[in-house]
Parts: sequence; structure tokens; C-alpha cells
Amino acid sequence: NAGVTQTPKFQVLKTGQSMTLQCAQDMNHNSMYWYRQDPGMGLRLIYYSASEGTTDKGEVPNGYNVSRLNKREFSLRLESAAPSQTSVYFCASSEDQGNIQYFGAGTRLSVL
Amino acid sequence: GDSVTQMEGPVTLSEEAFLTINCTYTATGYPSLFWYVQYPGEGLQLLLKATKADDKGSNKGFEATYRKETTSFHLEKGSVQVSDSAVYFCALSDRTGRRALTFGSGTRLQVQP
Repeated sequence: NAGVTQTPKFQVLKTGQSMTLQCAQDMNHNSMYWYRQDPGMGLRLIYYSASEGTTDKGEVPNGYNVSRLNKREFSLRLESAAPSQTSVYFCASSEDQGNIQYFGAGTRLSVL
Repeated sequence: GDSVTQMEGPVTLSEEAFLTINCTYTATGYPSLFWYVQYPGEGLQLLLKATKADDKGSNKGFEATYRKETTSFHLEKGSVQVSDSAVYFCALSDRTGRRALTFGSGTRLQVQP
């Protein structure tokens, strides 16, 4: 039972490079989320997808794009990475009710 | 907008000591409240939750009571263990719209043998 799987676990980019963070869940959840975690700031919502085919901005969407490829997969893309995007990124999923979110292990990204 | 305030850490305790981590919130309506725990190198895991006033969430010896009158959801444990060393996040979820979580900044707990 894998739950929420994120790839890669670690990544180093140069300023201006692009990359896509992958996330997949096997719990048949409708909603999926991308957060970033920075020291002393908790987790902040970047984008979310309430259901397959829909996406919407969260608290800190600038510099990111997302794709809900199907019910299982929700990817986060950095088109032109900046040092300010150095962070740990977490994907999460939840059912419609109860609002319990299940998190992946995270992707640690450094932008030089 | 919604917000969650947690006590700053780190909190350092000896094994078998009593733990309290304070959490207060600001929200419109009646949010659901959560405590998540993050062990080193891992993602967040749900520790406990409460969905309405006076509800008590509990798990693994941890407890928290939803106090609407004081807008608080303090985490407590009677006797901590070294294995409880982790970062603890208080969070709330509104009942409408995006249903995303609003997190506090986290409190690091270090338990010494």
C-alpha cells in the first residue's frame, strides 16, 4: 500500500532551469495538493486540485504550474527555477469528506 | 484569513515528562482541527483530529480538545518517550471551498533519555 508517492526525492537545479515534480496516489482520492515547507513557516499551499480536471491557486502559486493528469497523478512544474524556490515540496491527497490529508515523503529542491 | 499560531520551539524534555504544545487559531465558521507529526526525513502524518467544539482527539497517548471559547487546540501527552522526538504541526481546515489545510509554523520536540 504505497499511499502518496513523490519523485524525485532530491534535486539540484541551476537558476533558470525547468523541472517537473511528480506525485501519484493509489487511494482513489478526489483531491490533491502541493505544499512547500520552509524553515519557521510551516507548510504553505501552492496549488490544489479538488477533482480530476480541475486545478486552482493556493497561497503561493507564483512561479509554478500544475497538471492533474488523471485521478491518480498531480504534477508540479517549475518553468524557470529561482533560488527563492529552494524548499521541500510535499504532495498530499484527501477524500472529499473528513479533510484528512495524506502526505508523500517530500522532494528536497535546491536552486543554485 | 485563517491562521494558526503555535508555541515556538524547540521544546526539550526528559523522558516521561509531561508535554503541552499550545495552538490557537483564527477562522471564520467552524473549522476542523488537526495535529500532524513529522519525523526526521519523512512526510507529515496525521496524529489526531477534532471536528466540532468539545471534541477530544486522541492517538498514541496524545490528546487535544477543541475549545471554541478560547479558539485553542493544545496538544498534550502525559509521559513522552524518546521516540516522540519530531516536529508537530497544528492545522485547520475550513469546511467549504478548497478544503486545504492552514498550518502553524511547527514545534520541534526533543526528548532526552
